[in-house]
Amino acid sequence: DAGVIQSPRHEVTEMGQEVTLRCKPISGHDYLFWYRQTMMRGLELLIYFNNNVPIDDSGMPEDRFSAKMPNASFSTLKIQPSEPRDSAVYFCASSLRGGSQPQHFGDGTRLSIL
Amino acid sequence: AQSVTQLDSQVPVFEEAPVELRCNYSSSVSVYLFWYVQYPNQGLQLLLKYLSGSTLVKGINGFEAEFNKSQTSFHLRKPSVHISDTAEYFCAVCRAGGNTGKLIFGQGTTLQVKP
Repeated sequence: DAGVIQSPRHEVTEMGQEVTLRCKPISGHDYLFWYRQTMMRGLELLIYFNNNVPIDDSGMPEDRFSAKMPNASFSTLKIQPSEPRDSAVYFCASSLRGGSQPQHFGDGTRLSIL
Repeated sequence: AQSVTQLDSQVPVFEEAPVELRCNYSSSVSVYLFWYVQYPNQGLQLLLKYLSGSTLVKGINGFEAEFNKSQTSFHLRKPSVHISDTAEYFCAVCRAGGNTGKLIFGQGTTLQVKP
């Protein structure tokens, strides 16, 4: 079975540019999560969706960040404009039914903003 | 609200020695508990989980964890580690019975297995 697929794996861009991170969850999973991982702050939940609907976006750092899930098999996380402090590894995860079910993580996108 | 504290940021250990990674949690309601492992340049993978029932939970790769409600702990153990166990380990908690699956992660513990 294919796992959670994220693209790109690495992104290097200049400050001020728009960045789009992509995620394809495991087929049949109805929850999708976006996380950010840094040395200073650890693993932070940014936003999560249930059945394509955003449920909790309280972790989104500011208005420069936005996330969408137009259908059950695709989600995007956008940063516009990007800043050096956005440099981090961004993970997407999906799960079936949530709660007691484990989350399955992609391999992440390593983002560097120069 | 729930919170998780991993008591050690780094744990160095020699190969074939036993290891314990400590995790304490805080919650006013019942919780589910998880341990995840992250190898370099990879996402997190589930090691084991506690939902209910037996307090001793066995996971993959020879790891096990014990849920202790009175001490609000969920420590991870392995009787004999291998070099390949070198990784970052995360303890996580979510509210039991809910359907959100929203996990609260600890800060992680780096396990360094030396030859």
